[in-house]
Amino acid sequence: AQTVTQSQPEMSVQEAETVTLSCTYDTSESDYYLFWYKQPPSRQMILVIRQEAYKQQNATENRFSVNFQKAAKSFSLKISDSQLGDAAMYFCAYRSPNTGANSKLTFGKGITLSVRP
Amino acid sequence: KAGVTQTPRYLIKTRGQQVTLSCSPISGHRSVSWYQQTPGQGLQFLFEYFSETQRNKGNFPGRFSGRQFSNSRSEMNVSTLELGDSALYLCASSTLWGLGTGELFFGEGSRLTVL
Repeated sequence: AQTVTQSQPEMSVQEAETVTLSCTYDTSESDYYLFWYKQPPSRQMILVIRQEAYKQQNATENRFSVNFQKAAKSFSLKISDSQLGDAAMYFCAYRSPNTGANSKLTFGKGITLSVRP
Repeated sequence: KAGVTQTPRYLIKTRGQQVTLSCSPISGHRSVSWYQQTPGQGLQFLFEYFSETQRNKGNFPGRFSGRQFSNSRSEMNVSTLELGDSALYLCASSTLWGLGTGELFFGEGSRLTVL
């Protein structure tokens, strides 16, 4: 079974600075999908960024980018130019590809990011 | 386009009771999945439905059940509630089932408190 580990429960960043959130995972599959989701306080979870394991290029979405190290099974999220609205809980998630019976998301425990003004 | 709608948003029950939670997916989405979120266990997968059929089930006791209707709306039911069932229950919808790149769109959740 796949596992996702987020070892840092909390992090803090100064507004306008850069922060990196760590995530490692364990799987025996060669192809899969990785995601970062953001859950603001009392608000719904939204997708921040996704990465297909077969793609060597790291995904980027505006101020958000990932550092995907497949051999090391590491998938970190970098937030540049942090804004107050980035304060939230961030979840790393894993999903098997195209195998319906295993189409669920496996989440890490999450990390609470606070942004200091 | 309306998002994923979950009702009720908050509810309080006592041990032994049962509860039914509802989820209306985004229009056109046929896959609905449910997750339980607690501070201790984090986010855990409950089940997924597509075209009114349960396609995948997590490791939860039989007290947890669900169904999906022909309009893709889904309900989950928890019978004989226990204190440990207190959690935020999240519903997510997507256009396709079993395809890894399909983004999940989450609702705001139903927060259940069991006394």
